[in-house]
Amino acid sequence: GESVGLHLPTLSVQEGDNSIINCAYSNSASDYFIWYKQESGKGPQFIIDIRSNMDKRQGQRVTVLLNKTVKHLSLQIAATQPGDSAVYFCAESHNDMRFGAGTRLTVKP
Amino acid sequence: KAGVTQTPRYLIKTRGQQVTLSCSPISGHRSVSWYQQTPGQGLQFLFEYFSETQRNKGNFPGRFSGRQFSNSRSEMNVSTLELGDSALYLCASSFQTGNDYEQYFGPGTRLTVT
Repeated sequence: GESVGLHLPTLSVQEGDNSIINCAYSNSASDYFIWYKQESGKGPQFIIDIRSNMDKRQGQRVTVLLNKTVKHLSLQIAATQPGDSAVYFCAESHNDMRFGAGTRLTVKP
Repeated sequence: KAGVTQTPRYLIKTRGQQVTLSCSPISGHRSVSWYQQTPGQGLQFLFEYFSETQRNKGNFPGRFSGRQFSNSRSEMNVSTLELGDSALYLCASSFQTGNDYEQYFGPGTRLTVT
């Protein structure tokens, strides 16, 4: 069946380094993708989105890359800060929306 | 601008009962989506409403239903509660204009079924 999955459950980086969080999807019909950040005890927070007619989109300190050939999505966080520590998960959408399990990002000072 | 509000924040019910959760979106947002989050299954999409019409629906049984009112406020109902329905139920409101999309989640309603 179709699935959305994350490559790594945990990621630990040094403050100031760049972080890359990956996500694989298998529904080739998905045409819209979102990255979310969820801090402990809070609801998810929309970070950035990308449509399938694009392969890159940049926000403030974040970049999302979409590779439709290999059905891969990544979130790059530049100059990672302690406040970036959270669970990050991707979502793919066609008619409904499906979410990855999440990667826990820990930023070491 | 006030954020998305959900009531109640916490709820304890017993098996077989039914429950209604409420969500008030951000002013001006006409789309409201509902999600279920559990440690085992993660975040799962329930349904989306736009202008009082269900626009999309996830893969949940018919015990899960929702509606949206003319003021964009939304409710979701779960009937004949099961232990596995214990979860955090999240509501999100969204607004799209052109290529710009904004979505905000509420704090959620923590439902415990005993």
